[in-house]
Amino acid sequence: QTVMTQEPSLTVSPGGTVTLTCASSTGAVTSGYSPSWFQQKPGQPPRALIYSTTDRHSWTPARFSGSLLGGKAALTLSGAQPEDEADYYCLVSYRASYVFGTGTKVTVL
Amino acid sequence: QVELQQSGPGLLKPSGTLSLTCAVSGASMSSYWWSWVRQPPGKGLEWLGEISPSGTRGHNPSLRSRVTMSIDKSDNRFSLSLTSVTAADTAVYYCATSHFDYWSQGTLVTVSS
Repeated sequence: QTVMTQEPSLTVSPGGTVTLTCASSTGAVTSGYSPSWFQQKPGQPPRALIYSTTDRHSWTPARFSGSLLGGKAALTLSGAQPEDEADYYCLVSYRASYVFGTGTKVTVL
Repeated sequence: QVELQQSGPGLLKPSGTLSLTCAVSGASMSSYWWSWVRQPPGKGLEWLGEISPSGTRGHNPSLRSRVTMSIDKSDNRFSLSLTSVTAADTAVYYCATSHFDYWSQGTLVTVSS
């Protein structure tokens, strides 16, 4: 089973840009892993932001974008808003199962 | 709009069996695979498994021997059982579509004697 590692915490200024990454312990993350990204605020279930590496859900603000970057899945937040302060998790499909990343706490400050 | 409503006990004794049911509204159960996810207090998310409309199952390898899932399309619900629970199984349990676009609000299940 692969372990998906994310930055424990990141800080971004309001209006700034931050990139979160998701690395696999077994090698490069590819589109075949179909990475997804989720936002979770305290006391709430996760909310899907990105699926299939780059695709936004209908409710996902355009300031969130997904990509592959240097062998990792990446989520970029451009033009951070105070309401973007939350935990973010990646999810990949790996060998007929799903694996969540360790999570990144994003602070907008 | 797909809605997922969980039901099940919030407190279990060690060695017992956790049983949760997720009722689905706003969607045909034949349209999705259905997943279970949990989150221990203050920790990250863990995928437990999924079940297809026809009953095909996918499991988290680390929990495979303890997890059972079932589906009742006629009653629009699917269920999770987790056997031999310990304090380490204390978590908020979520049901979700396996596209992970719709989630339940979650149920805190505490394992304590």
